[in-house]
Amino acid sequence: KQEVTQIPAALSVPEGENLVLNCSFTDSAIYNLQWFRQDPGKGLTSLLLIQSSQREQTSGRLNASLDKSSGRSTLYIAASQPGDSATYLCAAAAGTALIFGKGTTLSVSS
Amino acid sequence: GAGVSQSPRYKVAKRGQDVALRCDPISGHVSLFWYQQALGQGPEFLTYFQNEAQLDKSGLPSDRFFAERPEGSVSTLKIQRTQQEDSAVYLCASSQWGRTGSYNEQFFGPGTRLTVL
Repeated sequence: KQEVTQIPAALSVPEGENLVLNCSFTDSAIYNLQWFRQDPGKGLTSLLLIQSSQREQTSGRLNASLDKSSGRSTLYIAASQPGDSATYLCAAAAGTALIFGKGTTLSVSS
Repeated sequence: GAGVSQSPRYKVAKRGQDVALRCDPISGHVSLFWYQQALGQGPEFLTYFQNEAQLDKSGLPSDRFFAERPEGSVSTLKIQRTQQEDSAVYLCASSQWGRTGSYNEQFFGPGTRLTVL
């Protein structure tokens, strides 16, 4: 059974720092891996999708990598801003649905 | 274009009442998913539709939960005889293609927050 773990559970950084969020999964047989952002009381906003054959994807200040053999993905956020404060969720596509981690709650202070 | 929409956004029910939650997926999307998100947790899969066919309902927690998508577009998640443990956010997602495929990105609605008193 696929399990997804995210470390750390919470992170507080000052504005301008570069940071890395970690995601690990137990079964390497995945179709893709998605990173989402969730603001309090809101739904999920898709940030990046990495296909199983890809190693990384970039969108603006965000870069996500995927290493299927080790069961790991990282989300790199460059030059963090207060507006980046939210919960970040990774999800592995295996079988029918997405399997989610519990998320990393990020707080960026000005 | 319009994203996934859900209604109502908030629902308060007394224990034992029946509720119906609606999802309007992105137009033309083949796949539709329902997830349940408890406080402080990641979403958990409930059920999956490919067009009007319910292909996977392995995540439905009990026979009180029922979902349908009769015309392959709008979907309704119904919960009968609600219990306090049903309190959660119910998220709907859609994707353009069928369930397999590394390019199959899921897009989520804002969710319905259900509170059972």
